[in-house]
Amino acid sequence: QKEVEQNSGPLSVPEGAIASLNCTYSDRGSQSFFWYRQYSGKSPELIMSIYSNGDKEDGRFTAQLNKASQYVSLLIRDSQPSDSATYLCAVKRGSWGKLQFGAGTQVVVTP
Amino acid sequence: DGGITQSPKYLFRKEGQNVTLSCEQNLNHDAMYWYRQDPGQGLRLIYYSQIVNDFQKGDIAEGYSVSREKKESFPLTVTSAQKNPTAFYLCASSDRDRLVNEQFFGPGTRLTVL
Repeated sequence: QKEVEQNSGPLSVPEGAIASLNCTYSDRGSQSFFWYRQYSGKSPELIMSIYSNGDKEDGRFTAQLNKASQYVSLLIRDSQPSDSATYLCAVKRGSWGKLQFGAGTQVVVTP
Repeated sequence: DGGITQSPKYLFRKEGQNVTLSCEQNLNHDAMYWYRQDPGQGLRLIYYSQIVNDFQKGDIAEGYSVSREKKESFPLTVTSAQKNPTAFYLCASSDRDRLVNEQFFGPGTRLTVL
């Protein structure tokens, strides 16, 4: 079992709709969780971090964390073509810094 | 402007050569990291450093070496012992001792072995 799992996609989303991305992790002691966006050929860009159960909203993005079920999700509302990218889920390991990344979910927003 | 710079953007290496990838940050972050990304895969940790003059192996350190002589610099050497070095190399930095410990990435170096 991979430590951090994501559906590879592609996830096809009509423009203006909600994109829903899921991520599960195996280490029950994980404390912090991150979503990165990566455009093709570019480096990852941090878009959300969350470490408490529940929802965290930032603009069109909402991260949801459920530690009991060991999953974290990302919702993108009012999806735009510029949201077309690969979204990486990352989970903090241990007492500091080290992150475990999932393989990413490719999102394609169609006009 | 605060940020992380990596150079070169593209690097070509002949088999048997060592090459060094540069990473510099002016964010005053204590911790720095090197990751490798292969097509269709997530990032894998090569080395990391919490403070100057200290660094630790990550998950795939074989064939790589690092140094941390200055807070702002964390160069990575890809040695000839690395059997499959063609990949996208990413440097990141973060504050220490924070619960969330967000990592920020440089633009990356794309290494190709000829």
